[in-house]
Amino acid sequence: EVQLVESGGGLVQPGGSLRLSCEASGFTFSSYWMSWVRQAPGKGLEWVANIKQDGSEKYYVDSVKGRFTISRDNAKNSLYLQMNSLRAEDTAVFYCARDPIVAGQPGAFDYWGQGTLVTVSS
Amino acid sequence: EIVLTQSPATLCLSPGERATLSCRASQSVGRYLAWYQQKSGQAPRLLIYDASNRAPGIPARFSGSGSGTDFTLTISSLEPEDFAVYYCQQRSNWPPLTFGGGTKVEIK
Repeated sequence: EVQLVESGGGLVQPGGSLRLSCEASGFTFSSYWMSWVRQAPGKGLEWVANIKQDGSEKYYVDSVKGRFTISRDNAKNSLYLQMNSLRAEDTAVFYCARDPIVAGQPGAFDYWGQGTLVTVSS
Repeated sequence: EIVLTQSPATLCLSPGERATLSCRASQSVGRYLAWYQQKSGQAPRLLIYDASNRAPGIPARFSGSGSGTDFTLTISSLEPEDFAVYYCQQRSNWPPLTFGGGTKVEIK
């Protein structure tokens, strides 16, 4: 059974940092692109970043470029999101999602974790 | 950036009725469009990928159609568990991968 379990969320002050983790099980983690998707309270879904199987390619939404860093450790079956210079508008539930290659490219998220809440507030 | 516009924002229907949800893209996405269902307090679930392919385990009452800029998700006969928010998402031209604003299907 595919499982994705996020951790690391919490309350942080504006300008602060937080590192999210996503532990994967039930599939060959190193064979999949992985993504982070967030959802602000009461709002829709926003893709944040994704990373290729070997970590050689990483992409970000413009609003987090230069502040967030996606990474992975295939030996630990884990995905990470380092978030620096956090702003109030980063407050959201952050989901990790499996991002399989379909018809030659990623971007259709077939499994999601339950999410971890990040609250940026003073 | 490709903008996806979903309509209507809210759909009020009764169990057993047919639901038709629309997603329009600001430029062609070919058939690289997916649909997700999200129930309150839960993570999204993939329903349809590449416009019309049902994800494993998704009931046949869910179907997707369209190509280019206009797409439709149809639920042929609403079950009580289908009342939720539905999002479309494109993977044709990225980054960024983008989602629509969602359609809430609520009980009439």
